[in-house]
Amino acid sequence: DTAVSQTPKYLVTQMGNDKSIKCEQNLGHDTMYWYKQDSKKFLKIMFSYNNKELIINETVPNRFSPKSPDKAHLNLHINSLELGDSAVYFCASSQGTSSYNEQFFGPGTRLTVL
Amino acid sequence: DQQVKQNSPSLSVQEGRISILNCDYTNSMFDYFLWYKKYPAEGPTFLISISSIKDKNEDGRFTVFLNKSAKHLSLHIVPSQPGDSAVYFCAASANFNKFYFGSGTKLNVKP
Repeated sequence: DTAVSQTPKYLVTQMGNDKSIKCEQNLGHDTMYWYKQDSKKFLKIMFSYNNKELIINETVPNRFSPKSPDKAHLNLHINSLELGDSAVYFCASSQGTSSYNEQFFGPGTRLTVL
Repeated sequence: DQQVKQNSPSLSVQEGRISILNCDYTNSMFDYFLWYKKYPAEGPTFLISISSIKDKNEDGRFTVFLNKSAKHLSLHIVPSQPGDSAVYFCAASANFNKFYFGSGTKLNVKP
């Protein structure tokens, strides 16, 4: 019974393609996040949604578009993939938007752009 | 420009000894700090936190120390166990759920 799940776990694709990563949480949380772990291993926040509303939108190329169909899902769609998009993408969720609300992470999706 | 830095990419410690993982930050507005633990092929899991109003927080074998004047925090694990072998991330926030993470320190506890 995975609390935060992501699909797929691995994604290998060609430059220029469009791909999506799905995230689902069964914790009943109202806030979800996407993080990118780059080649230098830093985890960087990309987006955050609270009750399906975008509340954090970092400086991310507009080729990245998050979509939250409901509170339990936050999907990440990436258009026109570039080599620099290769990274591990983590989804997370929390109950509430305070920094005191623990974030629970998914296992990550390793994206490789060739 | 990274606001949270973990300058030691790896640390090796003998079982039973103390592990000390360090983290530095640059933003004086940060008021809440976390340590996460990550095993391979898994997402990070919360380990321990500390608010800027404290200088120490303890949870079992894990203690986090905060030195605000030096903008430095450290995680002490005593005694270290082989199961503690993982990557440890520190993270910091300024009054909202937006966290800045370090690049992690890989801890290896040798039996």
